Amino acid sequence: EVQLVESGGGLVQPGGSLRLSCAASGFTFSTYWMHWVRQAPGQGLVWVSRIKGDGSATNYADSVKGRFTISRDNAKNALYLQMNSLRAEDTAVYYCARGDTSRKTHPYWGQGTLVTVSS
Amino acid sequence: DIQMTQSPSSLSASVGDRVTITCQASEDISNNLNWYQQKPGKAPKLLIYDASNLETGVPSRFSGSGSGTDFTFTISSLQPEDIATYYCQQYNNLPGFGPGTKVDIK
Repeated sequence: EVQLVESGGGLVQPGGSLRLSCAASGFTFSTYWMHWVRQAPGQGLVWVSRIKGDGSATNYADSVKGRFTISRDNAKNALYLQMNSLRAEDTAVYYCARGDTSRKTHPYWGQGTLVTVSS
Repeated sequence: DIQMTQSPSSLSASVGDRVTITCQASEDISNNLNWYQQKPGKAPKLLIYDASNLETGVPSRFSGSGSGTDFTFTISSLQPEDIATYYCQQYNNLPGFGPGTKVDIK
């Protein structure tokens, strides 16, 4: 069974940093693109970033480019999102989601972790 | 960037009604369009991929159609458990979501 479990969320002051983790199990982690998607309170889904299975390619939404860094450790089946220079508008539930080898979809999602940026 | 619009933003329908949501892309995305269902406090769930393909295990009352820039999502007979927000997602290059349609029971 595919499982994705996020952790690392919490309260952080504006300008601060936070590192999110996503522990993956139930599939061959290194085979898949992995994504971060966020959802501000009461708002819609916003794609944040993705990383290729071998870690050789990454992409970011314009709103986080230069502040967030996605990475992965395939030996640990773990996905990360390093978030720096955090702003109030980064407040959201952050989901990790798995890609698919043959379809452009996100068939599996974690339960999300809440990041609150506030003084 | 490809922009996605959805309509309506919300709707209220009776149990058994046919419900239709439309999604429009700002440029041709072929059939690279997915539909997700999200219930409050839960992660999104994939319902339809590649515009018209039903994800395994999803009830057949859900369907999708369209290609290019115009897409439609239909619930043929609304059930109480279908109360949720529905999002279209384009994945032509980098993924992006529509603003969502909140569906509730009249």
